[in-house]
Amino acid sequence: EDQVTQSPEALRLQEGESSSLNCSYTVSGLRGLFWYRQDPGKGPEFLFTLYSAGEEKEKERLKATLTKKESFLHITAPKPEDSATYLCAVQGLNTGNQFYFGTGTSLTVIP
Amino acid sequence: NAGVTQTPKFQVLKTGQSMTLQCAQDMNHEYMSWYRQDPGMGLRLIHYSVGAGITDQGEVPNGYNVSRSTTEDFPLRLLSAAPSQTSVYFCASRYSRGSPLHFGNGTRLTVT
Repeated sequence: EDQVTQSPEALRLQEGESSSLNCSYTVSGLRGLFWYRQDPGKGPEFLFTLYSAGEEKEKERLKATLTKKESFLHITAPKPEDSATYLCAVQGLNTGNQFYFGTGTSLTVIP
Repeated sequence: NAGVTQTPKFQVLKTGQSMTLQCAQDMNHEYMSWYRQDPGMGLRLIHYSVGAGITDQGEVPNGYNVSRSTTEDFPLRLLSAAPSQTSVYFCASRYSRGSPLHFGNGTRLTVT
């Protein structure tokens, strides 16, 4: 069964302190891996799609990378406004109508 | 371009009551879906639709009903609310397979 595990559950960083969030996945053929940001009381906001191992995507202070078993979301010199929950999801080749989501990493960036 | 719009934002029901959660999108997406989000669990798929007149069950469909009469709208019906249906419900749509989901801002439902 397709499965996604995110770690850590929660992360507190000082402003400027870089770190990485992990998303481990099991899927029988990856169609796509997706990263989302979710603010309290809001719906998930799309950040990146990765389709194949070795692929990387960047946006401002965020960089997402992908291997055959996991994805990392690297946050460089974070700011307080980066505080949010970050969700990872996978879509399999054989389960194209369903996304499997992890439980997320709650990131707090302290000024 | 409003994207995905959900109403209401909040709802309180008593056990046994029924209600409809509304979802509309203006992106002309064929695929629409409903997820629920509970503490400590990932978003779970309830029902989805790949086009007008076509719906199918997801991972947790029991107690919910859907229909899709237009491309734009995909309402979710709770037939007889139960406390286990207390959750935050998200509607999402996408352009095609491999495209990301676009989410609404959710409906927070409490069943007492």
